[in-house]
Amino acid sequence: LAKTTQPISMDSYEGQEVNITCSHNNIATNDYITWYQQFPSQGPRFIIQGYKTKVTNEVASLFIPADRKSSTLSLPRVSLSDTAVYYCLVGDNEGSGNTGKLIFGQGTTLQVKP
Amino acid sequence: ETGVTQTPRHLVMGMTNKKSLKCEQHLGHNAMYWYKQSAKKPLELMFVYSLEERVENNSVPSRFSPECPNSSHLFLHLHTLQPEDSALYLCASSQGLTWGHYGYTFGSGTRLTVV
Repeated sequence: LAKTTQPISMDSYEGQEVNITCSHNNIATNDYITWYQQFPSQGPRFIIQGYKTKVTNEVASLFIPADRKSSTLSLPRVSLSDTAVYYCLVGDNEGSGNTGKLIFGQGTTLQVKP
Repeated sequence: ETGVTQTPRHLVMGMTNKKSLKCEQHLGHNAMYWYKQSAKKPLELMFVYSLEERVENNSVPSRFSPECPNSSHLFLHLHTLQPEDSALYLCASSQGLTWGHYGYTFGSGTRLTVV
């Protein structure tokens, strides 16, 4: 799995847009980019997944530049309840016959303040 | 509820006790996983089961013993644990041994404290 690098922590205020960038310089052609959210004492929850350009769902947007060496998770108008750890993962979601194990890094701890 | 249920939610046990963690999923998934999350650390993959067969054991001490009697249930049997084994233990499931387009579905975890 490609290694990812993301900031350890970020602070924001309610109502602001938050952008968390993840670097994945060694991303492979078949790799997808997936983001998870984890609240304290809960399991991670899938947020969004993309391959290139832009993906949007009811929770977030994911921006992926043409070279795919980075990606940005965008959370619009955050609230206190968005305080969580956000993980960026990169890998082949079809597994290619291998166990496409989810290997988590440190993630980005987002603290939303009132 | 995510569809993956873990019990108990909290467990305190002595170092000489034997206890078991239970995970149950009714999502029709055929792969299940145990992860350990210690304080301030990333999730560590412990065991992987596919179609009730263990396909991965990531150098986990033998005091942790997994069991997968069927594709819907996964257990983690604990005995003679150490205080450093205190952590959040997470169960996850997936359709096949791949991320798929929605990754794994995680349970809420069991918060284990070893005293």
